[in-house]
Amino acid sequence: NAGVTQTPKFQVLKTGQSMTLQCAQDMNHNSMYWYRQDPGMGLRLIYYSASEGTTDKGEVPNGYNVSRLNKREFSLRLESAAPSQTSVYFCASSPTEINEQFFGPGTRLTVL
Amino acid sequence: ELKVEQNPLFLSMQEGKNYTIYCNYSTTSDRLYWYRQDPGKSLESLFVLLSNGAVKQEGRLMASLDTKARLSTLHITAAVHDLSATYFCAGTNTGANSKLTFGKGITLSVRP
Repeated sequence: NAGVTQTPKFQVLKTGQSMTLQCAQDMNHNSMYWYRQDPGMGLRLIYYSASEGTTDKGEVPNGYNVSRLNKREFSLRLESAAPSQTSVYFCASSPTEINEQFFGPGTRLTVL
Repeated sequence: ELKVEQNPLFLSMQEGKNYTIYCNYSTTSDRLYWYRQDPGKSLESLFVLLSNGAVKQEGRLMASLDTKARLSTLHITAAVHDLSATYFCAGTNTGANSKLTFGKGITLSVRP
């Protein structure tokens, strides 16, 4: 099992560009999450999907959209990137909302 | 809204000595998680604490949960260099749509 995979690993964007971060899990988990990690801030939840077909905002959703494409895949889209979105983005999944979460390797995004 | 606090944010430890780090949370939390993150890497699950008085041990690390005090502790026995990392605790809100709220993490550095 690959667990949780994320693409790309690194990305540099210019302000105003758009991009989609991809996440997939092969553990048959129901719930999936997107976090951002900034120095000194811990992890902050952007969006989550408790189950296939549902998505909800987390703590810092502004500037992002998500799609739960199917049970395996949960993508994060930046429509118009801003320097404040420079961060490391982690995708995670769990069997249900109340279970331990398993994290992907992360995507390091720089917005110039 | 659940808030999770970890103090201090950085701790320098001497090899061979014992240390305890703390995780406080503001409201009732169903369960408490500890994660480890090495520099530039993803988060790895260490412990899941499900009830008051729960104690889990893995190698030199022992985690416990006191729900009445809203406190979890991570005890390190005879610190070694390999334990140098950032340790996050996370709690969940009770009820439906519960999701993890992370502390800011404690970076441990073990020196000879």
